[in-house]
Amino acid sequence: DIVMTQSPDSLAVSLGERATINCKSSQSLLQSSNNKNYLAWYQQKPGQTPKLLIYWASTRESGVPDRFIGGGSGTDFTLTISSLQAEDVAVYYCQQYFRTGTFGQGTKLEIK
Amino acid sequence: VQLVQSGAEVKMPGSSVKVSCRASGVTFNSYTISWVRQAPGQGLEWIGRIIPAFGTANYAQKFNDRVSITADESSSTAYMELSSLRSEDTAIYYCAPGAYGQSKYWGPGTRVTVSS
Repeated sequence: DIVMTQSPDSLAVSLGERATINCKSSQSLLQSSNNKNYLAWYQQKPGQTPKLLIYWASTRESGVPDRFIGGGSGTDFTLTISSLQAEDVAVYYCQQYFRTGTFGQGTKLEIK
Repeated sequence: VQLVQSGAEVKMPGSSVKVSCRASGVTFNSYTISWVRQAPGQGLEWIGRIIPAFGTANYAQKFNDRVSITADESSSTAYMELSSLRSEDTAIYYCAPGAYGQSKYWGPGTRVTVSS
């Protein structure tokens, strides 16, 4: 199985500041036939089910605020929250769906 | 979209559990149905997925020898059966459909407790 590694494990950022979470896969997630990266990002708040934020590495799901930005290609990806809001406190997971569907270990985002 | 999962289960070590997930408001055959679990206080763990239109399933290597995911198109229901249960399988099990393997929708979860 493809291994997904996120960094950092936890992150504290001030309100209004930028938060960046990294995700590295053990194999490329880029499908050459369609030039798509099979990488998704999820947000999970305490007591809630996960919510899909980003798919194809950079496509924002409908209704997701534009402060959530997905980037990267191949094996290295980022999720950036451009201006942290209080409601963004959550655990964030990356997931590859290229082969099977491995998740990263999660990054806990808190307010500094 | 509504996803209804079967109720909580308490199982003995070594037994099996079968969790169901019935979908409505979505074209069942258009989606990949993934199963994901979350142990208490832990992260998300992908178990496997099925494409109902093709009936083909694939699984995480970790579960490959003791999990079976199936789907019944006529009732828009997917099933996940896990055998040889051990205490480490105690978790909430989610069905999570999506278009290409990412999970746009999430069921409410089914709590499975493995205890003697």
